[in-house]
Amino acid sequence: GDSVTQMEGPVTLSEEAFLTINCTYTATGYPSLFWYVQYPGEGLQLLLKATKADDKGSNKGFEATYRKETTSFHLEKGSVQVSDSAVYFCALKLKDYGQNFVFGPGTRLSVLP
Amino acid sequence: NAGVTQTPKFRVLKTGQSMTLLCAQDMNHEYMYWYRQDPGMGLRLIHYSVGEGTTAKGEVPDGYNVSRLKKQNFLLGLESAAPSQTSVYFCASSYPTSGRPYNEQFFGPGTRLTVL
Repeated sequence: GDSVTQMEGPVTLSEEAFLTINCTYTATGYPSLFWYVQYPGEGLQLLLKATKADDKGSNKGFEATYRKETTSFHLEKGSVQVSDSAVYFCALKLKDYGQNFVFGPGTRLSVLP
Repeated sequence: NAGVTQTPKFRVLKTGQSMTLLCAQDMNHEYMYWYRQDPGMGLRLIHYSVGEGTTAKGEVPDGYNVSRLKKQNFLLGLESAAPSQTSVYFCASSYPTSGRPYNEQFFGPGTRLTVL
């Protein structure tokens, strides 16, 4: 079945460090890919998305590139801030399969001052 | 716009009690969803609805029922709560897919439910 795999957390970084959170997927079709962020005590918010191969999604200094050849959508940020501390979810949605998303397990990021 | 709202925010139940979680959205979205979030498991879809008066089962529907009597509301019911239903419940909504495969889901703030 369709699935999303993310690197195990938690990830702890110092402020201004470089961030990479790995995400790979398995899908029977050609999915759209998303990163959602969940701040403490809140619901999920869309961070960025990409709908086709080689697309790069970007927002708030975060980037991720849709790599069809490696079925990956790794999240990166060049310099993290304390305010980036949150749980990050990678997700896919198949274009021809209704509205259902498949979410990864989430990766908790803690950024220390 | 309030977006997606959920009530209540917190609830503690005893085994066997019943309750209803309410989700409301003011974005005129056709599709609505209920997820549960458990540590290390991400979000799992319980039920969803593609329009007023229609509902469908998701990945983990057992022990839950839903209703979509009005387009803006999606109710999740637990008829006889069990400790295994202790979780954080999220509601989400979105536009239909047709022609827009990149449509995101908009999430509510969640309801933390504990079943003793």
